[in-house]
Amino acid sequence: KQEVTQIPAALSVPEGENLVLNCSFTDSAIYNLQWFRQDPGKGLTSLLLIQSSQREQTSGRLNASLDKSSGRSTLYIAASQPGDSATYLCAVSPSGTYKYIFGTGTRLKVLA
Amino acid sequence: NAGVTQTPKFQVLKTGQSMTLQCAQDMNHNSMYWYRQDPGMGLRLIYYSASEGTTDKGEVPNGYNVSRLNKREFSLRLESAAPSQTSVYFCASRVPGRRDYGYTFGSGTRLTVV
Repeated sequence: KQEVTQIPAALSVPEGENLVLNCSFTDSAIYNLQWFRQDPGKGLTSLLLIQSSQREQTSGRLNASLDKSSGRSTLYIAASQPGDSATYLCAVSPSGTYKYIFGTGTRLKVLA
Repeated sequence: NAGVTQTPKFQVLKTGQSMTLQCAQDMNHNSMYWYRQDPGMGLRLIYYSASEGTTDKGEVPNGYNVSRLNKREFSLRLESAAPSQTSVYFCASRVPGRRDYGYTFGSGTRLTVV
């Protein structure tokens, strides 16, 4: 059974720091992996989608990597800003299924 | 705006009452999903519909029913609400079979059962 873990559960950093959020999964047979951002009381916004054949994806200050063989993905945020404060969720789509399995998220706070 | 629309945004029910959560998407997606989000447990799949006319159970289907009314709409029904169903409910849609497509989520329905 696929399980997705995100460590740490919460993170607080000063503005301007580069930071890394971690996501691990137990079964490497995945279609793709998606990173989301969730603001308090809001829905989920897709940040980056990495296909199983890809190693990384970039969007602005965000870079997500995928190491399928070791069951790991990282989300790198460069030059963090207070507006980056949110919960970040990763989700994997197991091969042969239509659904995603979610981690419990990392709650990020960037201090001004 | 194109996307996934959920109604209502907030709801309070008494134990034993029934209600239907509505979800509609205008992106011509085939697959639609209902998740619940609880503190410390992440998002868990309740039901999904891979395509119009089909529905399947997810991880936590007990106490819920769904209807895929047409390609656009996918509703979630609570027949007899229980306090354990207090949660935030999210609907999502996706183009299946396209490896370059992920989920698009609605903004959620916050349900409290007292």
